[in-house]
Amino acid sequence: GAVVSQHPSWVICKSGTSVKIECRSLDFQATTMFWYRQFPKQSLMLMATSNEGSKATYEQGVEKDKFLINHASLTLSTLTVTSAHPEDSSFYICSASSNQGYQPQHFGDGTRLSIL
Amino acid sequence: ELKVEQNPLFLSMQEGKNYTIYCNYSTTSDRLYWYRQDPGKSLESLFVLLSNGAVKQEGRLMASLDTKARLSTLHITAAVHDLSATYFCAVDVRYNFNKFYFGSGTKLNVKP
Repeated sequence: GAVVSQHPSWVICKSGTSVKIECRSLDFQATTMFWYRQFPKQSLMLMATSNEGSKATYEQGVEKDKFLINHASLTLSTLTVTSAHPEDSSFYICSASSNQGYQPQHFGDGTRLSIL
Repeated sequence: ELKVEQNPLFLSMQEGKNYTIYCNYSTTSDRLYWYRQDPGKSLESLFVLLSNGAVKQEGRLMASLDTKARLSTLHITAAVHDLSATYFCAVDVRYNFNKFYFGSGTKLNVKP
């Protein structure tokens, strides 16, 4: 089945640091990638949708200057949390879809971000 | 805005018992997904339901979809402790890059 690799799986860093999370589709071309955020005991919240080669579409309330998304190729999207603060600590999950006919989203393993 | 409501939010049950989780959604969609999430882990795909009347079964779990009622169910038969997890339903919106809208999740605790 389709595989989406997310890296790193866990990162702890100091407040003010920028953190980059990678999401790779390993065996298919991901025309669309999604970034989600999940707080403890809550559902997934869609942050943004990115299409290869174009600017990401952010959901209402998500700061695009804070959460920089790049989808430069059909197999890689990155989420950079800029100048991270403790309130940015969360579980971030990416997913990818090929948009060819019917294709479901395939989820990465998630990244646990802890900001001290 | 599309809403996806799941009930119950939390479910504690004894092994061997049956129960059904419900997922209602507020707009037309003919594709519904069920996922399982273990603590600290990402989502594991359980079922993909693509049409009205679709029914799929895997082990002790069975999912169904009624697009006219905008309702999907996840039925648990003779629950075992290993089924303890959080279950999410999700609906996608084809005209909007297949964006997923997730339900709030149902945390299932099966007592041995």
